[in-house]
Amino acid sequence: KAGVTQTPRYLIKTRGQQVTLSCSPISGHRSVSWYQQTPGQGLQFLFEYFSETQRNKGNFPGRFSGRQFSNSRSEMNVSTLELGDSALYLCASSRGMKETQYFGPGTRLLVL
Amino acid sequence: QQPVQSPQAVILREGEDAVINCSSSKALYSVHWYRQKHGEAPVFLMILLKGGEQKGHEKISASFNEKKQQSSLYLTASQLSYSGTYFCGTEGGGSQGNLIFGKGTKLSVKP
Repeated sequence: KAGVTQTPRYLIKTRGQQVTLSCSPISGHRSVSWYQQTPGQGLQFLFEYFSETQRNKGNFPGRFSGRQFSNSRSEMNVSTLELGDSALYLCASSRGMKETQYFGPGTRLLVL
Repeated sequence: QQPVQSPQAVILREGEDAVINCSSSKALYSVHWYRQKHGEAPVFLMILLKGGEQKGHEKISASFNEKKQQSSLYLTASQLSYSGTYFCGTEGGGSQGNLIFGKGTKLSVKP
């Protein structure tokens, strides 16, 4: 069974630009969660989607948004990038609530 | 309500044991443990559910004290491959499916 895939793996952007990251969950998984990982803050929850509905959102500004498609694939978008948005963005998929989450390899975003 | 992990870092020799603790101020439904090696994604190790059910790694054990909202991960007879940063992720009740992660415990196993 293929694991969680994320594209692109690496991205360099400049301040003010916007970026879209993609996540394809494990086949059969309907829940996708997004996390931001930085050396200072660790793993921080961004949002979670289940069956195309956002069920929960972390404490991030409105510049961070996401969506989930009918095939469970998910995208997250960051508008008006800031230097502090440089991070590893991880998505994790699971069958549903209260199930094991499996992480993808992440997208490393560098904002210059 | 980020869970608190202790210790922050530990250095072991091969074959030694270690315990990593995770403590939350909130009532927990489950605790998930992950290990992350440098430059890689977190890898699932263990999930402990309210009520005592455990699912996970054969060579790693863990405990979950629901009343104290604490979990401990036990690494016995450590191997070089155990090196990495260990994270606990906690899940409360209700309809939320996200995990709140601790800051991690860095484990280094030396030969």
